[in-house]
Amino acid sequence: AQSVAQPEDQVNVAEGNPLTVKCTYSVSGNPYLFWYVQYPNRGLQFLLKYITGDNLVKGSYGFEAEFNKSQTSFHLKKPSALVSDSALYFCAVRRINQAGTALIFGKGTTLSVSS
Amino acid sequence: NAGVTQTPKFQVLKTGQSMTLQCAQDMNHNSMYWYRQDPGMGLRLIYYSASEGTTDKGEVPNGYNVSRLNKREFSLRLESAAPSQTSVYFCASSEGREGLRPQHFGDGTRLSIL
Repeated sequence: AQSVAQPEDQVNVAEGNPLTVKCTYSVSGNPYLFWYVQYPNRGLQFLLKYITGDNLVKGSYGFEAEFNKSQTSFHLKKPSALVSDSALYFCAVRRINQAGTALIFGKGTTLSVSS
Repeated sequence: NAGVTQTPKFQVLKTGQSMTLQCAQDMNHNSMYWYRQDPGMGLRLIYYSASEGTTDKGEVPNGYNVSRLNKREFSLRLESAAPSQTSVYFCASSEGREGLRPQHFGDGTRLSIL
């Protein structure tokens, strides 16, 4: 069964420092992985995805993610954090079964960037 | 650019009441989804529809029904609301049926069951 895990409930970083939000996955077959961000009282917004190709994927707002097949990880990164990056971040994996395709989300990681 | 529109934004129900949550998208997307979000649980898929006329159960379908009225609209119905269904409900849509395109989310319906 496909699943993702976000091992940290919260990540705290200072503005200007690099940030990493961790995600590990478990899939049978090729993984299709996504990161989404949620701001307070809003729906989720797509940041980036890994389907195939380069292990370093670039996305919106200066975020990037590194796919590591041997470690079954897909960590979200940004070289220099902004206070405005403070939000809830979700990792997701595509699930396929006889009923069709859907996304399975992790439980989310709250990123707090201090000034 | 409306995107995905959910109505209502807030609702309070009494146990046993029924209600329909409405969702409409104006992006001509094939696939639509209903999720619930609970603290510490992330998003859990309730139902989804890969195309007009088809619906399938997700992770937590019990207590809910859905209707894909047309390509634009996908409604979620609670026939007899229970306190365990207090949650924030999100509708989403995406192009295609393969699950490779980003999902676009509405801003949610905050539902309280007393």
